[in-house]
Amino acid sequence: EAGVAQSPRYKIIEKRQSVAFWCNPISGHATLYWYQQILGQGPKLLIQFQNNGVVDDSQLPKDRFSAERLKGVDSTLKIQPAKLEDSAVYLCASSFGAGLNTEAFFGQGTRLTVV
Amino acid sequence: SQQGEEDPQALSIQEGENATMNCSYKTSINNLQWYRQNSGRGLVHLILIRSNEREKHSGRLRVTLDTSKKSSSLLITASRAADTASYFCATVFTGNQFYFGTGTSLTVIP
Repeated sequence: EAGVAQSPRYKIIEKRQSVAFWCNPISGHATLYWYQQILGQGPKLLIQFQNNGVVDDSQLPKDRFSAERLKGVDSTLKIQPAKLEDSAVYLCASSFGAGLNTEAFFGQGTRLTVV
Repeated sequence: SQQGEEDPQALSIQEGENATMNCSYKTSINNLQWYRQNSGRGLVHLILIRSNEREKHSGRLRVTLDTSKKSSSLLITASRAADTASYFCATVFTGNQFYFGTGTSLTVIP
């Protein structure tokens, strides 16, 4: 079974530039998550999709971050404009989501450095 | 706050010893899960314990859950150098939201 795919693996941009990350979840997984993990901290949930609808985006900084999940499969997370404090690893995860008590599967993450 | 908080923040033990890490949380959960993260990698699921369960075992892992105290512990027995990683508890709520704690960094010295 193929895992959660993310690209790119690394990205370096200047502040005020824009950047986009892509995620392909495990086939058949209805729920998709984006997390931000700052060095030395735990993953922080940014947004959760159930199919192509948003379940939770309470911690997404909506003035600069946006995410979409077209057709309920792939997802993109965009930052525009980036700030220095956005430097982090952005993790995508998916779960079967049909009910409770399911585990989340994570991609390798995209390491973003804003200079 | 919906995420848990692990302690200790860092733990260093000798190979063969047992490692115990704890997770405390504040609101009622549907289940609690433990994940491992090796440096520069994504998180890997270790074990899930439902809110109506008190203890679960998987290989060298033992997890307990005390919903009255809103706490969980993860015990790794007979640790190996390969167990060196960060360990996170995830509190899971209705709607399958996963909230992760701050993590415990475990170092197992060969």
